[in-house]
Amino acid sequence: EAGVTQFPSHSVIEKGQTVTLRCDPISGHDNLYWYRRVMGKEIKFLLHFVKESKQDESGMPNNRFLAERTGGTYSTLKVQPAELEDSGVYFCASSYGLTTRGNSPLHFGNGTRLTVT
Amino acid sequence: AQSVSQHNHHVILSEAASLELGCNYSYGGTVNLFWYVQYPGQHLQLLLKYFSGDPLVKGIKGFEAEFIKSKFSFNLRKPSVQWSDTAEYFCAVKSYSSASKIIFGSGTRLSIRP
Repeated sequence: EAGVTQFPSHSVIEKGQTVTLRCDPISGHDNLYWYRRVMGKEIKFLLHFVKESKQDESGMPNNRFLAERTGGTYSTLKVQPAELEDSGVYFCASSYGLTTRGNSPLHFGNGTRLTVT
Repeated sequence: AQSVSQHNHHVILSEAASLELGCNYSYGGTVNLFWYVQYPGQHLQLLLKYFSGDPLVKGIKGFEAEFIKSKFSFNLRKPSVQWSDTAEYFCAVKSYSSASKIIFGSGTRLSIRP
């Protein structure tokens, strides 16, 4: 089975530019999560989709971040305009089932390393 | 709010040494607990998980973790480490009542001297 794939693997942009990250979950996984890790800190939750609906977006830092999952398949995370503090590694993860009561572990992608200069 | 604390940022051991990585969480209710590992150049992957039952959980590659409810702890152990265990280890917790987010700690980088 193909794993979670993320694109691009690296992105370097200037402050004020726009970047769009993409995540393709494992086929059949209804749950899709975005996480971010700023250097050396915890992996911080951003949001959770169940199919195409946002289940929890409490971790989104501000309105410069927009996540979508049209059709309940792949997801995009757009940062517009990017700021220096947005630099970090953005992880996507997916899991099986309509609820996640712990029986379905997260499957992670390799992450996108975003550098804002 | 839930949080996870990992006590050590970087641990350096020689091969065959015993390992214990600390993890404490803050949440008063029923939880699911996890350890994830990220080997160099690879994605995060599940090492072991605790849902209920026996508080001593065994995972892949000889790792185990013990859930001590009274201490809000879920420490990771391995009796004898190998060079291939060099990786970053993340403790994580999820509220059993939540259909949503898993909260991660800041990670512990483990370096094994051959």
